[in-house]
Amino acid sequence: EVQLVESGGGLVQPGRSLRLSCAASGFTFDDYAMHWVRQAPGKGLEWVSGISWNSGSIGYADSVKGRFTISRDNAKNSLYLQMNSLRAEDTALYYCAKDSNPRLRSPLFDYWGQGTLVTVSS
Amino acid sequence: DIVMTQSPDSLAVSLGERATINCKSSQSVLYSSNNKNYLAWYQQKPGQPPKLLIYWASTRESGVPDRFSGSGSGTDFTLTISSLQREDFATYYCQQSYVTPFTFGPGTKVDIK
Repeated sequence: EVQLVESGGGLVQPGRSLRLSCAASGFTFDDYAMHWVRQAPGKGLEWVSGISWNSGSIGYADSVKGRFTISRDNAKNSLYLQMNSLRAEDTALYYCAKDSNPRLRSPLFDYWGQGTLVTVSS
Repeated sequence: DIVMTQSPDSLAVSLGERATINCKSSQSVLYSSNNKNYLAWYQQKPGQPPKLLIYWASTRESGVPDRFSGSGSGTDFTLTISSLQREDFATYYCQQSYVTPFTFGPGTKVDIK
């Protein structure tokens, strides 16, 4: 059974940093691209970032480019999101999502975690 | 960036009735080399993560009931639920996977009438 478990969320002040993690199990992690998708409270879905199976291809939403860094450790079956210079508008539930493809191209998010909540507030 | 729009924002439907949700992309998501539309539909229920329903505009994900169908090409797409069941009341999002950033529509909430 595919499982994605996010962690690392919490309350953080504007301008500070936070690192999210996603522990994956139930599938061959290094066969697939992975993504972060967020959802602000009561709002819709926003793709944040994606990374190919071998970290060779990475993409970001314009809203986080230059502030967030996605990475993965295939030996640990883990996905990460380093979030710097956080803003109030980054407040959201952050989902880890598995892609059905290995490359960062035409993704399908076929499995999702339950999400970890990030709140940016002073 | 490709902008995705959906209509209506919400709709109220009786059990057993048909629901139709429209999605429009600001540019074509049809990849000419393989004639595939890179358009997916997701269902999200309160307190749950989204669930993939349909991809390539009209291909149902494994395990998705056949009352869900997708259609359309290029920039205009439709999700149809032929006979609404209680478990179908949720918010539905379209999403383009043609080019980064992989943008979602704003969502359509389907409520019980």
